[in-house]
Amino acid sequence: DIVMTQSPDSLAVSLGERATINCKSSQSVLYSSNNKNYLAWYQQKPGQPPKLLIYWASTRESGVPDRFSGSGSGTDFTLTISSLQAEDVAVYYCQQYYSTPLFTFGPGTKVDIK
Amino acid sequence: EVQLVESGGGLVKPGGSLRLSCAASGFTFSSYSMNWVRQAPGKGLEWVSSISSSSSYIYYADSVKGRFTISRDNAKNSLYLQMNSLRAEDTAVYYCARDQGSVLPWGWFDPWGQGTLVTVSS
Repeated sequence: DIVMTQSPDSLAVSLGERATINCKSSQSVLYSSNNKNYLAWYQQKPGQPPKLLIYWASTRESGVPDRFSGSGSGTDFTLTISSLQAEDVAVYYCQQYYSTPLFTFGPGTKVDIK
Repeated sequence: EVQLVESGGGLVKPGGSLRLSCAASGFTFSSYSMNWVRQAPGKGLEWVSSISSSSSYIYYADSVKGRFTISRDNAKNSLYLQMNSLRAEDTAVYYCARDQGSVLPWGWFDPWGQGTLVTVSS
C-alpha cells in the first residue's frame, strides 16, 4: 500500500499570511504514461464532511478560491494557502488515487489562526 | 444539485450488525463507482470499501474484509454497507462518496455525504 504522510501535524498562521502544508507518498504517484500526479487535497471543517479542493495535484476544483494552490510531483507535494482567511480554519488531507482501489489518505494537518 | 444522504447509523453492541444506506440524487448514479470512507472520533479518514458502477468490482480495506459487505441498487439510486461482527474500533462517522470511475473505482472523491455515526459499545 502507498503510505501518505503530512507535515506539520498542525500550524497556526496569522490572517493574511501564507500557510504551507506538505504531503509525501511512500512511492511515486506520478503515472508516466500521462505525466499526471494522482493526488488530491481535501478541506474538512469541524462537523462537516471533507470537501474536494484540488485534484491532479494542482488542478483547483470549480468554486475553490484561487488562494488555494497545489504543487509537487512524484512523492512530494504541497498545498499552499496564499493569504489565510478565517474561513480556512480546517483540517487538510491529501489522498492518493494512484493505487486504486486501495485509496489512502494522509493523517491530516490542522490549520488555525495565530 | 448533486447530493448524497447517509442513514442507518446508531448504537450497536460488539458483535452486532448494522446496515448503512446512502441515497444519491442529482446525477446518474448508475454511471459512477461509489465508496464508503470512515472517520473515527477525532481521527483521520480511512477508506473502507468501493464498488464499481455495475457492481462487477468490489474492494475492501483489510480492516473490514470478511465482515462488511458493500452493495448498490442502481434502480433505487442507493448504496449500502452491511456491517457484521462489529468491533469497538469500527466506531466512526461513515461517509459515502462518489469517485470519478465507472467500470472501476478510480480518482478523487466528490461529493461526500454528511455522514452517519456508528457507535459500537456495550
